[in-house]
Amino acid sequence: DTAVSQTPKYLVTQMGNDKSIKCEQNLGHDTMYWYKQDSKKFLKIMFSYNNKELIINETVPNRFSPKSPDKAHLNLHINSLELGDSAVYFCASSQGVSSYNEQFFGPGTRLTVL
Amino acid sequence: DQQVKQNSPSLSVQEGRISILNCDYTNSMFDYFLWYKKYPAEGPTFLISISSIKDKNEDGRFTVFLNKSAKHLSLHIVPSQPGDSAVYFCASGGSNYKLTFGKGTLLTVNP
Repeated sequence: DTAVSQTPKYLVTQMGNDKSIKCEQNLGHDTMYWYKQDSKKFLKIMFSYNNKELIINETVPNRFSPKSPDKAHLNLHINSLELGDSAVYFCASSQGVSSYNEQFFGPGTRLTVL
Repeated sequence: DQQVKQNSPSLSVQEGRISILNCDYTNSMFDYFLWYKKYPAEGPTFLISISSIKDKNEDGRFTVFLNKSAKHLSLHIVPSQPGDSAVYFCASGGSNYKLTFGKGTLLTVNP
C-alpha cells in the first residue's frame, strides 16, 4: 500500500502551459507539504498545509497555487509554466506541523518544461 | 543562502567498512537534525534523527553525532552494505515548522 502517492510520475510540457500535480496520503496525517528539488539538488519547501489550512508559503511565484480539498490531498497547480520550473516535485505528509515530526515523502513528479 | 551544507557530493566505500557522511549548518536556531535516505526514482525516507540536547543517537548500524559548538553533524554507517548505496540528505529543523535540507551525498558501497 502506497503511503504517499503522486500523479503523474513524469510530466513533459511546453512553456506557457498550465499543469497540475496531485498528491494523496493514506496515513491519516494532518499536515502535507510540497517540495521542489531543482538541478542543484536542494530539496526546498514550497508550501505546507495543516488540516487544509496554509501554514508555510515560501517565496514561490504566484503561478504556483496549492489546493487542499481535504486532509488527505494536496494538489499543486502551476500556471504559465517556465523553463525554470523544470524540477522534481515531492509531496510529503506528517502528523502535526512541527519540523520534529517525521515526514513521509511521495516518489516525486519529474516536470520537464520545453 | 545554504543553511545546511553537505560538502561532499559523493563518497565511495568498501562493503564492511565504515561510511561517514558529514553535514554543517549555520543557523543556531536549529535544534533538531535528521538524516533521510533516497534511492533513485523514490522519495526520501527518514533514517535517524537527533535533538540538540544530545550529542549522539544510535539505531542499529546507524549513528548520528552532533557537535553543536562546531555546528556539525555526521552519520556513521558501520558496517556498510551494498544496500546502503543511496543519496543521504541532512536536514535541520527548529521552531519555525519547516525543514531545511542539504544537497545530499551520494554513497556508493562497493561489494
